[in-house]
Amino acid sequence: DQQVKQNSPSLSVQEGRISILNCDYTNSMFDYFLWYKKYPAEGPTFLISISSIKDKNEDGRFTVFLNKSAKHLSLHIVPSQPGDSAVYFCAASPERLGTPLVFGKGTRLSVIA
Amino acid sequence: GAGVSQSPSNKVTEKGKDVELRCDPISGHTALYWYRQSLGQGLEFLIYFQGNSAPDKSGLPSDRFSAERTGGSVSTLTIQRTQQEDSAVYLCASSLRQSNEKLFFGSGTQLSVL
Repeated sequence: DQQVKQNSPSLSVQEGRISILNCDYTNSMFDYFLWYKKYPAEGPTFLISISSIKDKNEDGRFTVFLNKSAKHLSLHIVPSQPGDSAVYFCAASPERLGTPLVFGKGTRLSVIA
Repeated sequence: GAGVSQSPSNKVTEKGKDVELRCDPISGHTALYWYRQSLGQGLEFLIYFQGNSAPDKSGLPSDRFSAERTGGSVSTLTIQRTQQEDSAVYLCASSLRQSNEKLFFGSGTQLSVL
């Protein structure tokens, strides 16, 4: 039973355009959401996060949107750059501390020059 | 060290053998996590340590898997009698406090069971 779902295994976008990566979750107890980026042969690195008290968080070219009623979040990358090509993982955390993050299966983004 | 260090980076073993995977977290990080990523799958939680204790072992897939952490620092994940389905990238991560904080991951150990 997947609690965090990334239904698009891959996405291709032209350089300079917007990349939109989607994530859905089923557990209403989740209140903290994160995106991680992973290059081949490296561990995932933290990208951006959002708390359930917000519906948007922006950091440079990266913006995460949260729609709690729909249990949906998305990561927008504008403008997309070839260096953004990586696997992006959505992760969620329940309310209580000490519970590990739950990750989705990831979306492989390819930004084409 | 500056980041989370894992060793070995690659391990090839024969079915039935035991393997030990090591993780050195970032100095001062009290929380340590083991995840694994099988081919085409997401990150699967295995076990979590807060200090030397493991309050959450719920993700260990079988009793062939065990982990320990000594001195609140280095952790070892042991897989006994390895099976082919154990082949995966095993990732270790640490964080400054308990969960809800961003994790710092190592580069992982690619385990291949022949």
